[in-house]
Amino acid sequence: NAGVTQTPKFQVLKTGQSMTLQCAQDMNHEYMSWYRQDPGMGLRLIHYSVGAGITDQGEVPNGYNVSRSTTEDFPLRLLSAAPSQTSVYFCASSPRTGASQETQYFGPGTRLLVL
Amino acid sequence: AQTVTQSQPEMSVQEAETVTLSCTYDTSESDYYLFWYKQPPSRQMILVIRQEAYKQQNATENRFSVNFQKAAKSFSLKISDSQLGDAAMYFCAYRSYSMEYGNKLVFGAGTILRVKS
Repeated sequence: NAGVTQTPKFQVLKTGQSMTLQCAQDMNHEYMSWYRQDPGMGLRLIHYSVGAGITDQGEVPNGYNVSRSTTEDFPLRLLSAAPSQTSVYFCASSPRTGASQETQYFGPGTRLLVL
Repeated sequence: AQTVTQSQPEMSVQEAETVTLSCTYDTSESDYYLFWYKQPPSRQMILVIRQEAYKQQNATENRFSVNFQKAAKSFSLKISDSQLGDAAMYFCAYRSYSMEYGNKLVFGAGTILRVKS
């Protein structure tokens, strides 16, 4: 299993540009989430999904869109990038049931720089 | 809403010594999970240890153990026999027992642990 994969690893954008951060998992997990990590603030939840076709907002959703058309993929879209979105982005997944259902599996992160 | 507070931005420990990282949280729920995650310079998030709130016994994983004080809403991490590889950022995190909101984690701001040789 590859686990949770994220692409790209690093991206530079200009203000106003749009882009999609990709996240995929091959563990058949129902739950998937996007977090952003900023210095001194830990990780904060952007959006999450409890299954294909179901998404909801987290703590800091403004400026981001998500969709979940398949169990495996959970892309994060920046519609019009702003310098405040400079951050490290983590995707995570977990099963809905089972012995490890409370544990989240994290991807390696995407570092985004908005100029 | 739940909050998690890590009051120590940085800590240092001598190799082979013991260090304790502090974490407090605020919640009105009675059932929940608590976690410690390690983030080395590679940025990978690594689960160190987890604690179920309904269990009174403190969790232990090799050199890592927790002191869970439910009434005080405190969840500290003790690292024994510290090694150079323990140097990292450590995050305390909270998750509600209910799966209604998926598997949302609420994180503290993190503590940087430096290990001196």
